[in-house]
Amino acid sequence: DTAVSQTPKYLVTQMGNDKSIKCEQNLGHDTMYWYKQDSKKFLKIMFSYNNKELIINETVPNRFSPKSPDKAHLNLHINSLELGDSAVYFCATTSGQGAREQYFGPGTRLTVT
Amino acid sequence: GEDVEQSLFLSVREGDSSVINCTYTDSSSTYLYWYKQEPGAGLQLLTYIFSNMDMKQDQRLTVLLNKKDKHLSLRIADTQTGDSAIYFCAETPNSGGGADGLTFGKGTHLIIQP
Repeated sequence: DTAVSQTPKYLVTQMGNDKSIKCEQNLGHDTMYWYKQDSKKFLKIMFSYNNKELIINETVPNRFSPKSPDKAHLNLHINSLELGDSAVYFCATTSGQGAREQYFGPGTRLTVT
Repeated sequence: GEDVEQSLFLSVREGDSSVINCTYTDSSSTYLYWYKQEPGAGLQLLTYIFSNMDMKQDQRLTVLLNKKDKHLSLRIADTQTGDSAIYFCAETPNSGGGADGLTFGKGTHLIIQP
């Protein structure tokens, strides 16, 4: 079983549309994150959720809204997509215990045309 | 704010050792990580080190931490073509809550010459 999975793997959409990316983890971890990797491979954290509570909200436009229906899922909804939103979005999880390894999903490549 | 710096490219011959360097500015960094990203793939956690350690070895990988200079390095012994990837250094402070995101460097592209 895949520990951290994301759907879809690829998403191509037009400017102005609204889309969602889903993340699921079967590790029983407490905290989940969304990261954005741009075309230059730079990675930046966007959000984290701990027990369904938003912990970090970096300087991300409010068009982006994370939603966690339960501890195993953290979805990312994006309104009014812009060209600059094109990137690879990674979900990650950590148990928050011990060594605090973060495990990443395979990524969702979003292309806005 | 926090900052993590890495060289963007490193080229080595197959069979040689690769040493990827990283510097960070956050003095409260508690955990420091190395991740590997192959083309078109996600991020694979290679190894991590706690800030009260100087060195950690795991098979071909050796991590050295100089906390005074805020310098972290990853040495890959006997570099193989399969090691060709982008290597990211990352750090996180320890707020105790476990919800801290990672601050990543810009990644070092490791290029293997035959």
